Amino acid sequence: AQTVTQSQPEMSVQEAETVTLSCTYDTSESDYYLFWYKQPPSRQMILVIRQEAYKQQNATENRFSVNFQKAAKSFSLKISDSQLGDAAMYFCAYRSGPWAGSYQLTFGKGTKLSVIP
Amino acid sequence: KAGVTQTPRYLIKTRGQQVTLSCSPISGHRSVSWYQQTPGQGLQFLFEYFSETQRNKGNFPGRFSGRQFSNSRSEMNVSTLELGDSALYLCASSSAATNTDTQYFGPGTRLTVL
Repeated sequence: AQTVTQSQPEMSVQEAETVTLSCTYDTSESDYYLFWYKQPPSRQMILVIRQEAYKQQNATENRFSVNFQKAAKSFSLKISDSQLGDAAMYFCAYRSGPWAGSYQLTFGKGTKLSVIP
Repeated sequence: KAGVTQTPRYLIKTRGQQVTLSCSPISGHRSVSWYQQTPGQGLQFLFEYFSETQRNKGNFPGRFSGRQFSNSRSEMNVSTLELGDSALYLCASSSAATNTDTQYFGPGTRLTVL
């Protein structure tokens, strides 16, 4: 079974600064997908960014980028130019590759990010 | 397109009762998954439906069940409610057109068991 670990329960960042959230995972699979989801106080889960394991290039979405280290099984999220609206719980999630025939996500425990004005 | 909708948004039940939660996926989406979110256990996978068939199930007791209708809408049912069933129940849908599809989540149903 796959596991996802987020070792930072809480983090804070000054507005306009950069912050990196850590995520490690354990799997014996070679093909899989990794995601970062954001859950603001409204509790609506919002996809931030995704990464396919077979792609060496790190994914980026505007101010959000990842550092994907497949050999180390590490998948960190970098938020640049932090904004007050970035304050939320961030979850790292794992999904098996296409062969699994399932969309099941395995989540980490989450990191609560606070943005200081 | 409208997003994933879940009804009701809030629910209060007492121990021993049963409850049914509903999820309407994004139009055209055929895969629906359910997750339970609690402060202690975090987000845990309940089950997944695709074209009216359950194709994956998490490690939950048989009191938790679900189904999917021909229009892809899904329901989950919890019988003989326990205090520990108090949680936010999230539904997620995907088009399942390709294996790389992303799941989109609904706003959740907050269940409180007294």
